[in-house]
Amino acid sequence: NAGVTQTPKFQVLKTGQSMTLQCAQDMNHNSMYWYRQDPGMGLRLIYYSASEGTTDKGEVPNGYNVSRLNKREFSLRLESAAPSQTSVYFCASSVRRVEKLFFGSGTQLSVL
Amino acid sequence: GQQLNQSPQSMFIQEGEDVSMNCTSSSIFNTWLWYKQDPGEGPVLLIALYKAGELTSNGRLTAQFGITRKDSFLNISASIPSDVGIYFCAIRVRFGAGTRLTVKP
Repeated sequence: NAGVTQTPKFQVLKTGQSMTLQCAQDMNHNSMYWYRQDPGMGLRLIYYSASEGTTDKGEVPNGYNVSRLNKREFSLRLESAAPSQTSVYFCASSVRRVEKLFFGSGTQLSVL
Repeated sequence: GQQLNQSPQSMFIQEGEDVSMNCTSSSIFNTWLWYKQDPGEGPVLLIALYKAGELTSNGRLTAQFGITRKDSFLNISASIPSDVGIYFCAIRVRFGAGTRLTVKP
């Protein structure tokens, strides 16, 4: 039972490059989330999807876009990466919104 | 927006010592969650609290939902090296900044 799977685990980008972080869950959860983690700042919500077909901005959405491809998959896209987006990104899911979250193991992204 | 203040920011303790950390919010809520993040992994839920005054234990971990509904506490008794990590309080989908725990053998 994989739970929440994120790819890639590590990525290095140059400023201005684009990339998509992939996330898939196999727990039949309705809600999915993207967070970023920076030292001393905890986990900050970027975007979430309360259910298939819906997406909403979180606390720090600027510079990101998301797609809820189907019930299982929720991707995060950086159109033009900036050094300020260097961070560890976590995807999470829950049965319903505002319930306990299940996290993936993260993607470490560096933007040079 | 609603703020979660978690303290202390970090703790360095000796194996066998007890640990206490807390979290306060600027608003009243009906649910407090505590997560632990092991190095290199995503956070995992430890304890969920649903009622003011509720005290819940999970092995050596004990968490309490404050009477004012604006705070929560997490205690770890007789710490061991595998307790190392970052502990987060959370309300709904918002997380505190975390308490980084180091345990010296």
